[in-house]
Amino acid sequence: GAVVSQHPSWVICKSGTSVKIECRSLDFQATTMFWYRQFPKQSLMLMATSNEGSKATYEQGVEKDKFLINHASLTLSTLTVTSAHPEDSSFYICSAIPAGRDTGELFFGEGSRLTVL
Amino acid sequence: GESVGLHLPTLSVQEGDNSIINCAYSNSASDYFIWYKQESGKGPQFIIDIRSNMDKRQGQRVTVLLNKTVKHLSLQIAATQPGDSAVYFCSEIQYGNKLVFGAGTILRVKS
Repeated sequence: GAVVSQHPSWVICKSGTSVKIECRSLDFQATTMFWYRQFPKQSLMLMATSNEGSKATYEQGVEKDKFLINHASLTLSTLTVTSAHPEDSSFYICSAIPAGRDTGELFFGEGSRLTVL
Repeated sequence: GESVGLHLPTLSVQEGDNSIINCAYSNSASDYFIWYKQESGKGPQFIIDIRSNMDKRQGQRVTVLLNKTVKHLSLQIAATQPGDSAVYFCSEIQYGNKLVFGAGTILRVKS
């Protein structure tokens, strides 16, 4: 089946630094990717929709200048958490839809756990 | 809709019993629903889906029921096994082809 890979799987950083998380579709092209955030013992919250070659669409309440999303190719989307603070510590999960398919056929990455000290 | 800040309820079942996990959704216009299983520290895994023109769909050991009148979904797992222990989320496709997750339920299987 289709594979979505995230890197790094976990990262620890100091407060005030920026962290980049990559989401790659390994065996398919994805025009659309989604980024989610999940706090412990809570549900996944959609942060933004990433479209290849255009600006990401952010959900209400998500700061676009804080969470920079770049979808420069059909197999890669990146999420950069800028000037990270402890409250940004979370599990970040991406998902990707194979080109030509609909949302019901999306595939999830294994997540990236960010800890900000 | 989305569940902000809510902690997940827990369902404990004995191994071999059937499990029923419930979910309420908010958007009456949603026409496609998916159940996911999430193990600790991993991404969600697809379990089963259902479209709004159906009220029941069966898979291997799993059944999804949809009641559009009361906007309710349920996931039934037959003969629950220890490997079924995980968090289960319902989700719905909303406007703009966005997949939005429900609150989730922790399933604990006792041996």
